[in-house]
Amino acid sequence: QKEVEQNSGPLSVPEGAIASLNCTYSDRGSQSFFWYRQYSGKSPELIMSIYSNGDKEDGRFTAQLNKASQYVSLLIRDSQPSDSATYLCAVRDTGRRALTFGSGTRLQVQP
Amino acid sequence: ETGVTQSPTHLIKTRGQQVTLRCSSQSGHNTVSWYQQALGQGPQFIFQYYREEENGRGNFPPRFSGLQFPNYSSELNVNALELDDSALYLCASSLNPDSYNEQFFGPGTRLTVL
Repeated sequence: QKEVEQNSGPLSVPEGAIASLNCTYSDRGSQSFFWYRQYSGKSPELIMSIYSNGDKEDGRFTAQLNKASQYVSLLIRDSQPSDSATYLCAVRDTGRRALTFGSGTRLQVQP
Repeated sequence: ETGVTQSPTHLIKTRGQQVTLRCSSQSGHNTVSWYQQALGQGPQFIFQYYREEENGRGNFPPRFSGLQFPNYSSELNVNALELDDSALYLCASSLNPDSYNEQFFGPGTRLTVL
């Protein structure tokens, strides 16, 4: 059973701080990794994708990938109260066209 | 707004009943994937349809079935409903089966089974 693990949180950070969200995955052959944001009662929306080891930056968001350690992270700089949501890590399954999601980390940004 | 629509928004059924959920994909998208999201969990892949054919299936029993129509809209059917089927059902449309960067989720259908 391929697994994606996330700390459920809540992760509480003050406004303006850096929020660090982490994810580990079990399928060593995985090549594609995604971070989604899901507000309460809403559907997931894609924030970032990453395919190569290292960092990928997009505005206030940075995704980090370490395939050797099977570890993906998302950094949110200058966190805002509007960033308060559940962040889902997703990994593309090898061998089938599907995403395996973690259970999500709830982020709370305190004003 | 993603252009992916789902109906109905909410649904209440009793155990043993059957339900049909509908999804209209974004214009130009020929692939629809269905996910089940239980409370406090991440979405779980049910199956994917590509050009009217099932193109992959997750670990769900055969009482979960689907269809995709020539206009690429899709249905999810669940027979013999169980209490554990209570969840948010999400469909996601994409340009093709591998374009996860252009995969957009609909607003979901909240199913409650009593």
